[in-house]
Amino acid sequence: SQQGEEDPQALSIQEGENATMNCSYKTSINNLQWYRQNSGRGLVHLILIRSNEREKHSGRLRVTLDTSKKSSSLLITASRAADTASYFCATGAWGNDYKLSFGAGTTVTVRA
Amino acid sequence: SQTIHQWPATLVQPVGSPLSLECTVEGTSNPNLYWYRQAAGRGLQLLFYSVGIGQISSEVPQNLSASRPQDRQFILSSKKLLLSDSGFYLCAWSAVIAGNTIYFGEGSWLTVV
Repeated sequence: SQQGEEDPQALSIQEGENATMNCSYKTSINNLQWYRQNSGRGLVHLILIRSNEREKHSGRLRVTLDTSKKSSSLLITASRAADTASYFCATGAWGNDYKLSFGAGTTVTVRA
Repeated sequence: SQTIHQWPATLVQPVGSPLSLECTVEGTSNPNLYWYRQAAGRGLQLLFYSVGIGQISSEVPQNLSASRPQDRQFILSSKKLLLSDSGFYLCAWSAVIAGNTIYFGEGSWLTVV
């Protein structure tokens, strides 16, 4: 079943701006992961945050996790045209974290 | 390092014909293997996963089946394709030693006509 839900569904920003997208989920999780998908390609893993973590950084990416609100956010700073892609959150449940449930994704377009 | 190969990349098949998509993983042992399907503009739906040779779990009832004849080989099949089987199929793997992150292949576009 699809547990994560991304918001917004689509985002269009100017190069250099920051892009923020959110993910909400319904049940308790072990970890939450963010993936990027370029059009017609496979998904690329970006970052994993565990349920006992609140924030993680990787390059221009910043992920937060609020387990009390069952939500996560992905921030891409100083966006580039190459960041144009769909971004998905995926949740792994306790005792079952080798199966991930994916949301429908946020499509990000970065205008040059 | 680990790699995943999935083929064919694109496939156009008539309704009622059989299907075989193949996936192999290199550089790791006893991985968990997955088949996902993605409809146009949608998220990923888990179809099958496998924790070992011959062990297949189906997530949704459908016209498809999966097999794992070898540790690092995962095959998605159908005896008779339906129009609704069209989509983007993704093979993926994970392993405890890789932190249970799921790594995806490049996908296979299936169009049933």
